[in-house]
Amino acid sequence: KQEVTQIPAALSVPEGENLVLNCSFTDSAIYNLQWFRQDPGKGLTSLLLIQSSQREQTSGRLNASLDKSSGRSTLYIAASQPGDSATYLCAGAKTSYDKVIFGPGTSLSVIP
Amino acid sequence: KAGVTQTPRYLIKTRGQQVTLSCSPISGHRSVSWYQQTPGQGLQFLFEYFSETQRNKGNFPGRFSGRQFSNSRSEMNVSTLELGDSALYLCASSFTGYNSPLHFGNGTRLTVT
Repeated sequence: KQEVTQIPAALSVPEGENLVLNCSFTDSAIYNLQWFRQDPGKGLTSLLLIQSSQREQTSGRLNASLDKSSGRSTLYIAASQPGDSATYLCAGAKTSYDKVIFGPGTSLSVIP
Repeated sequence: KAGVTQTPRYLIKTRGQQVTLSCSPISGHRSVSWYQQTPGQGLQFLFEYFSETQRNKGNFPGRFSGRQFSNSRSEMNVSTLELGDSALYLCASSFTGYNSPLHFGNGTRLTVT
């Protein structure tokens, strides 16, 4: 059974720091992977999608990479801001026709 | 472009009742998927529909069902509600469901008393 872990579970950093969030799938066979953020009481906002033919995606201060051989992904946030405070979730599918599985999330707090 | 719309935002029901939740996807998106989010279990996949056909199903009892209409709008139904069904129910739409980003609505908060 495919399971997803995210490390750390919670993180508190001062504003301006660069940080890395980790996501790992027990079964390393990953077709694609998406990172989301979720604000309290809200739905999820898509941040980055690493498609099946890609290894990395960048958007502004965010960079996500995927190592398909190990089933591990990292989300790098540069120069963190208080507005980045949220829960970050990774999600992936094993194959193109498989259901999407979500990690438990990393709760990030950026202190002004 | 309008986002994913879920109605209602909040629902309070009694054990044994049934409930129907609605999701309107982004225009042009043909895939709609449903998720249950609870503090204990996190986000769990319920089912996915594409062009009115259920393409994938999660590990939930038969009390949970859904359907998709020709305009891609989707409904989810839960019958014989249990206390454990209290959760945030999220709907997501995407262009194809594969290799395209998922776009979520703000969810329906269901409370079963």
